[in-house]
Amino acid sequence: DGGITQSPKYLFRKEGQNVTLSCEQNLNHDAMYWYRQDPGQGLRLIYYSQIVNDFQKGDIAEGYSVSREKKESFPLTVTSAQKNPTAFYLCASSPVAGPTSRQYFGPGTRLTVT
Amino acid sequence: EDKVVQSPLSLVVHEGDTVTLNCSYEVTNFRSLLWYKQEKKAPTFLFMLTSSGIEKKSGRLSSILDKKELFSILNITATQTGDSAIYLCAVGAGGTSYGKLTFGQGTILTVHP
Repeated sequence: DGGITQSPKYLFRKEGQNVTLSCEQNLNHDAMYWYRQDPGQGLRLIYYSQIVNDFQKGDIAEGYSVSREKKESFPLTVTSAQKNPTAFYLCASSPVAGPTSRQYFGPGTRLTVT
Repeated sequence: EDKVVQSPLSLVVHEGDTVTLNCSYEVTNFRSLLWYKQEKKAPTFLFMLTSSGIEKKSGRLSSILDKKELFSILNITATQTGDSAIYLCAVGAGGTSYGKLTFGQGTILTVHP
């Protein structure tokens, strides 16, 4: 089955700890994205990668970091510098980066930091 | 800065009703508008619109884009409880926004039996 997997589904961390969220796709897509979803705010773009070994900041990159060493993987690290990390995180991919390239979403990871 | 605004933010209807969801946008170098449905987790794709005035239709759902007035509507006829979800609108643009989508806040639709 082709698709996007995110793990874990739920993640709990103490304040001050870094945490890494996994995103893997086997769709052979070039582009990958990370979004954050808070109640009533839709999806906000954290980072995106148009091609392997390259990535750009989105609208809310502060306190987050990413890497894109393999085409199929785009992990997101939530650092202790992120002031309000509790949220639902969605990963997506598209065949190529571009405004007419439909994005496919993973099932998401709900992160709770206390 | 690109901006996408959806209305209403939430809507409660009964089965069989028809609903219209709105999405307006202000973007530079508009290229596409996409609608997604999010039930519990992953948003699923509904439509992509790039040309003004051409209706896209899938079963009871339809959508149309007005590039002159900068908005799109998503219509759902004969609603069912399974239509309960968050409906997300997103806009793709060129120029400095190339490669990313800008999402609206979403409309939460609740359909009661």
